[in-house]
Amino acid sequence: DAKTTQPNSMESNEEEPVHLPCNHSTISGTDYIHWYRQLPSQGPEYVIHGLTSNVNNRMASLAIAEDRKSSTLILHRATLRDAAVYYCILRDAWRGSQGNLIFGKGTKLSVKP
Amino acid sequence: DGGITQSPKYLFRKEGQNVTLSCEQNLNHDAMYWYRQDPGQGLRLIYYSQIVNDFQKGDIAEGYSVSREKKESFPLTVTSAQKNPTAFYLCASRTGTGPQHFGDGTRLSIL
Repeated sequence: DAKTTQPNSMESNEEEPVHLPCNHSTISGTDYIHWYRQLPSQGPEYVIHGLTSNVNNRMASLAIAEDRKSSTLILHRATLRDAAVYYCILRDAWRGSQGNLIFGKGTKLSVKP
Repeated sequence: DGGITQSPKYLFRKEGQNVTLSCEQNLNHDAMYWYRQDPGQGLRLIYYSQIVNDFQKGDIAEGYSVSREKKESFPLTVTSAQKNPTAFYLCASRTGTGPQHFGDGTRLSIL
């Protein structure tokens, strides 16, 4: 699976939007972009994933660049409960459940009241 | 509610002792995974299993063993051969190309 690059940390104010970037310049045509987040002392939690088109769900939006070499996770209104480490992961669609997801260090998001 | 249950939440190991971490899922998922997480680091794969009675080593399998006798259960044994076992251990499961579902982890420490 191709590698991703994320900032080590970001800060946001409560009630404001947050844009978490991820670079994946070596992404292949069959790689899905997945985002997970991990709250302190808990297991990671699935947030969203996409292939080419922008995606929205109740938790967040995923904006994918036209060349797919970068993506942005958007939290529309940050809350204190959104403070977590956010992981951007690429996963080849053809691998199915084979193998694992490769979690890097992610971006630690802090949310200020 | 369906999910993954890991137990215990905290575990202490004495020198030379084997300990077993439990992972049970009622999601009917075929694949299950064990990860290790050290402070400030990402997750590293220990073992994974695609189907019952079959499993594969991950990146850091030395000092660990697993079994998959039932679809719902994937216990991890940390053996005395694992010299640095202190870490946060996470179990996950998935089906097909769906997202991985994680348990809340077991924190293992050495006495």
